[in-house]
This record gives sequence, C-alpha cells and structure tokens, in this order.
Amino acid sequence: DAGITQSPRHKVTETGTPVTLRCHQTENHRYMYWYRQDPGHGLRLIHYSYGVKDTDKGEVSDGYSVSRSKTEDFLLTLESATSSQTSVYFCAISDVPSLNTEAFFGQGTRLTVV
Amino acid sequence: GNSVTQMEGPVTLSEEAFLTINCTYTATGYPSLFWYVQYPGEGLQLLLKATKADDKGSNKGFEATYRKETTSFHLEKGSVQVSDSAVYFCALYSGNTPLVFGKGTRLSVIA
Repeated sequence: DAGITQSPRHKVTETGTPVTLRCHQTENHRYMYWYRQDPGHGLRLIHYSYGVKDTDKGEVSDGYSVSRSKTEDFLLTLESATSSQTSVYFCAISDVPSLNTEAFFGQGTRLTVV
Repeated sequence: GNSVTQMEGPVTLSEEAFLTINCTYTATGYPSLFWYVQYPGEGLQLLLKATKADDKGSNKGFEATYRKETTSFHLEKGSVQVSDSAVYFCALYSGNTPLVFGKGTRLSVIA
C-alpha cells in the first residue's frame, strides 16, 4: 500500500470553528490532492498541490484553504466550518500526471459539522 | 471541460451474474481512462486503466475497453462475487490536470 496517512480519521466539530485535516505521505510524490466525497456527487476536487508551496484550486474550493510547506505534508483547512462541509475527505498522491499515472488514496477523514 | 458520466446505481446482482457499468466521457485531447474501486470503509484503489483507443484494461476478472468512437469505457465482469460489492468510479486524465471522476456506482452482490 502507498504510504498515505490521513489524520484525524473522524472528527465532529461545531459550526464556525476552524478545522485542519492533515495528509502525510512517505512516497515522495510531487502531486497531492484533496477531494471530498458526497452521495450523488462522487469525488470532487477541492485543491491540489504540484510542489512545495505550489497549490491550485479545484472544482469546490470555496471555504477551504491548503498549505504545503514540506513534500510529505498537505494540510486542508476549513477556516469556519459550515454544515455543508460535512463530508468524507480523501487525500491522494501521484507522480507528475501523465497518461500512465496512478493516483493513490488515503483512507479518508469523516468530518461532521454540527 | 473534461467530464465523466456513469450509470446511476445502486446495482444489485446475484452471485455469478454478468456485470456492466456504463461510463462515457467528454475530454479534450486523448485522455487516459481509469476504473477505481472503493470497498466499504476504505479509500479508492485503481482497478484497471487504458491509455489509448482500443486498449483493454483488465484486472481481477474485470475488463474495460477504451472506445474512442463512442467515447466510452464500460466496465464488465462475467461472473460477479459477493466480494465485488463496492462502489466503482470511472475517471479520466487529460493533459496535466488532476483526475476527473464520475459520481460512482454502488454494486451489491447477493449470494
């Protein structure tokens, strides 16, 4: 299994509080991604990173920020959590995308905003 | 932009039945196509892939053929097992943008 660890695995938080999810990899892959998974929507890209301090927005980036200060860590922050951000969050990693590139996924973080 | 459309689920089959999960795509250029599987409580893992037209990806008895003329990449298995119960995602990569996923199809196989 690819070395990807997400923490925490489960979290319940209150509306309006800040929340940070962490993704840690041991594979030295350049690209890291945050997706959210919701029923009826599949996986939607929030943000991704193509190198240390290099990030870009995805399809559903509003209300989220990210940081990557080291190759191995990619943080997702909800500045002020809302109930619409209740979801399962997945981190993924890959080499530089090409036609043969495979993405590897973490086990997910279930976040509940009450 | 790039997009993937896959059949709505859930799909419920008896053991040893034939499985087809439809997937069609819209993409610029010549995308690579993937099927990922998500078992209960786990993250996604790659099931199979195809990188050019007429390529057939296969793994664990599953197959999918890249059909450029119909922009499709349907997943098939001749005889499903209870252990195949999972959510299946069709995805594509084109250019240097991240993977784009379909909405997923939940498969339940009953003994």
